[in-house]
Amino acid sequence: GQNIDQPTEMTATEGAIVQINCTYQTSGFNGLFWYQQHAGEAPTFLSYNVLDGLEEKGRFSSFLSRSKGYSYLLLKELQMKDSASYLCAVRDNAGNMLTFGGGTRLMVKP
Amino acid sequence: DTGVSQDPRHKITKRGQNVTFRCDPISEHNRLYWYRQTLGQGPEFLTYFQNEAQLEKSRLLSDRFSAERPKGSFSTLEIQRTEQGDSAMYLCASSLGLTTTRKYFGPGTRLTVT
Repeated sequence: GQNIDQPTEMTATEGAIVQINCTYQTSGFNGLFWYQQHAGEAPTFLSYNVLDGLEEKGRFSSFLSRSKGYSYLLLKELQMKDSASYLCAVRDNAGNMLTFGGGTRLMVKP
Repeated sequence: DTGVSQDPRHKITKRGQNVTFRCDPISEHNRLYWYRQTLGQGPEFLTYFQNEAQLEKSRLLSDRFSAERPKGSFSTLEIQRTEQGDSAMYLCASSLGLTTTRKYFGPGTRLTVT
């Protein structure tokens, strides 16, 4: 089966750092993705990890540990526009399908 | 605009009616996916096409749902005899190649069944 867990909601302060965790138990694994989704809009790609370690891209970093079935998304220097849902998704072995977690709704407060 | 487009953006229908949604992927993308997303949840995979061939369908895709991609370009998703539980955002995504790292999502069609 497929099981992807992430916190439902988080709150952080503008300018701070926040870490959004994701744990997964899936029958196959061919990469883990993070997407950002503002209310009523399409998910937009943030990051992709297939090997263990940290991938950094500007204010956003994503970490993967395949042995632990664990990933996190790190957002630095938070801005109000970062208020959105953050979706963790695992790609299956064939590379065809993404299985998404329920999303973490992040609220950034002044 | 060279992104994925979907039409209509919003659809309100009465229970029992049929609805059809359209997705136009990025032009050179050979793979097209349909997902469904309910409020507060992540998207759930429905089906995908490689060119015109429908290669995988989720168990979520009941007999009332049918998807086509007749010429390997745009795709349609039809829901027959809609039910209130069909109310959701229907997202289309496209990608290029077999081991692409990224899917590009369209803006979605929000369906409300009354």
